[in-house]
Amino acid sequence: DSGVTQTPKHLITATGQRVTLRCSPRSGDLSVYWYQQSLDQGLQFLIQYYNGEERAKGNILERFSAQQFPDLHSELNLSSLELGDSALYFCASSVGETGGGIQYFGAGTRLSVL
Amino acid sequence: GIQVEQSPPDLILQEGANSTLRCNFSDSVNNLQWFHQNPWGQLINLFYIPSGTKQNGRLSATTVATERYSLLYISSSQTTDSGVYFCAVSNSGYALNFGKGTSLLVTP
Repeated sequence: DSGVTQTPKHLITATGQRVTLRCSPRSGDLSVYWYQQSLDQGLQFLIQYYNGEERAKGNILERFSAQQFPDLHSELNLSSLELGDSALYFCASSVGETGGGIQYFGAGTRLSVL
Repeated sequence: GIQVEQSPPDLILQEGANSTLRCNFSDSVNNLQWFHQNPWGQLINLFYIPSGTKQNGRLSATTVATERYSLLYISSSQTTDSGVYFCAVSNSGYALNFGKGTSLLVTP
């Protein structure tokens, strides 16, 4: 168990809908990262928050947004869903702000858009 | 961004065999992690190894930062070692850049 909790484990929805993925980081970790794993793109970084502030953006679509709350949990919001958004979404956490420390990954949320 | 290449892309072993997985990266790094993704999709941390050598049971890893590569050794492989092994790196940035992985199948 990595200590990073993601809910829900599975999500099935229709095109055009909006969903929210939730992540609770390891106790003491201030950074939360979101990654997407799809068959065609592999594992790619979406966005990072550190202590409530956005720190870095990767290949995140404009239809996607995220935030980190005062209790440090984070939510990834995906809207106007398309078939191609079907993927495994991972949350990771680390103690520090930059990439020099271990990132621990949650079990992922598997999103299926039908 | 930093490029990560893993080899071989696929590997089939019989139980008990040893293997070496390689990760080449295109720039200096301050973070390198090896992961095992099991058949259920979970990403399991194996090693945090931006440089040096570490061992954990049947697994060991070596990173030669000056030559920009890392090796993951699996000895006496078991069927439970099957899955995809990912190398991921970061170079003073925030995100991990993942390779495409090595898909390992260990047969009885």
